[in-house]
Order: sequence, then C-alpha cells, then structure tokens
Amino acid sequence: SAVISQKPSRDICQRGTSLTIQCQVDSQVTMMFWYRQQPGQSLTLIATANQGSEATYESGFVIDKFPISRPNLTFSTLTVSNMSPEDSSIYLCSVPTPRGSNYGYTFGSGTRLTVV
Amino acid sequence: AQSVSQHNHHVILSEAASLELGCNYSYGGTVNLFWYVQYPGQHLQLLLKYFSGDPLVKGIKGFEAEFIKSKFSFNLRKPSVQWSDTAEYFCAVIRFSGGYNKLIFGAGTRLAVHP
Repeated sequence: SAVISQKPSRDICQRGTSLTIQCQVDSQVTMMFWYRQQPGQSLTLIATANQGSEATYESGFVIDKFPISRPNLTFSTLTVSNMSPEDSSIYLCSVPTPRGSNYGYTFGSGTRLTVV
Repeated sequence: AQSVSQHNHHVILSEAASLELGCNYSYGGTVNLFWYVQYPGQHLQLLLKYFSGDPLVKGIKGFEAEFIKSKFSFNLRKPSVQWSDTAEYFCAVIRFSGGYNKLIFGAGTRLAVHP
C-alpha cells in the first residue's frame, strides 16, 4: 500500500485566516481524494484531485472555499480559506492503492483543525 | 448512486460478547464494499473488503463480514469482542461518479467495549 505523509497534524487558527494542508505520497497516483470529518461524524468527500486537471468538487463544497493544487503525481494541497469555527474538523487525504488483491484506499493520518 | 447506511450509531458491549454491526447499501450494479476502523486518536485502518467471490470475507483482528446481495447488506461480525475493539467502525462503498471511483462512507458506528 502507498504511504501518505500529511501535514500539519494539527493546527489552531484564527477565524478569517487560511490553512494549507499538504499530502505527500510515496508513489505516483493519478487521483487523490480529500475528506472532511467533522466532530463526531463520518467522513465526507470534499473533492477529487486529478493531476493535470481541475479538482472535482462534491455537492456543498466549492473551489473558492477549498482550493486544491495537484502539481504532480505524488503531491497535493488543500487550502481551507477564510476559516470559521464551523470549519473545525479533521481533514484527510486518500489515494487508491493499485488494482489486485491489495486494492483499496489508503488514508493519511489527518490534520486536526481548530478554528477559534 | 451508491450510498451506504449504518443503522447502529452507538453500541455498548461487554468483553466476550458477540458483535454484529449493520451496513446496507443502495443498489447500483457491481458493488465494492469496505469496513474501516478508527481507534481513538488514530487514523483509519482497513478491516476488510469485498469485491467478488466468496461472500464471507475475513479481515484482520478476527473480524468478518458477509455480503448478502438479496438484502443489500454487508454486516460486520466478531464472535467475541475485546476491550481493545473500542473504536468507530465505518462501512464504505465505491461509487462511480464524475468519471471516478469514489469511496463513500456510512455515518459510522461507535463501539464501546467494557471489561
């Protein structure tokens, strides 16, 4: 399975500011996924980041609020812009592992964001 | 579109009790199903998955799940739980949308095992 390094692991931010979260994968992957896990809730898919094209956002998420970069096949960033306390969540990136008996999805360790 | 429902939000068991967590998916052709676990303060780990073949899938740590197509279910089971199984469990299904396969999660079940 791929190994994902995600940082920062946690941060406390002032409302109105922005935070950029980075995910580095130890192998080349076509797609990377960004999720949000609000306190006490499940994981919600924010967007799919495909290298070389614009990210595809799920319903309820927009590029202005969550801009994503995907400069190469091993790296992606998610920015949480103009933050409010409602953005306090764990943000995770995920990549699919290759087809075969090991097929599945690997997740980063997450970024715990608190907005004050 | 594929979606997944977990009906048990909180489950409390004593050690050695048997566990069954419900997961139902909506119909959408070929289904690929997963169970993930999130221990307190840790990141998601894959317990098991079903793609095809034997509908009884065995995973790590003594967990298993059975795919029952007629019931659109993929329930997670363990015959005897331990205190260390205290965690949140997520059922997930792959949904093909917008040109991509995406992993969609259920709401999760929080399991507490008492000694």
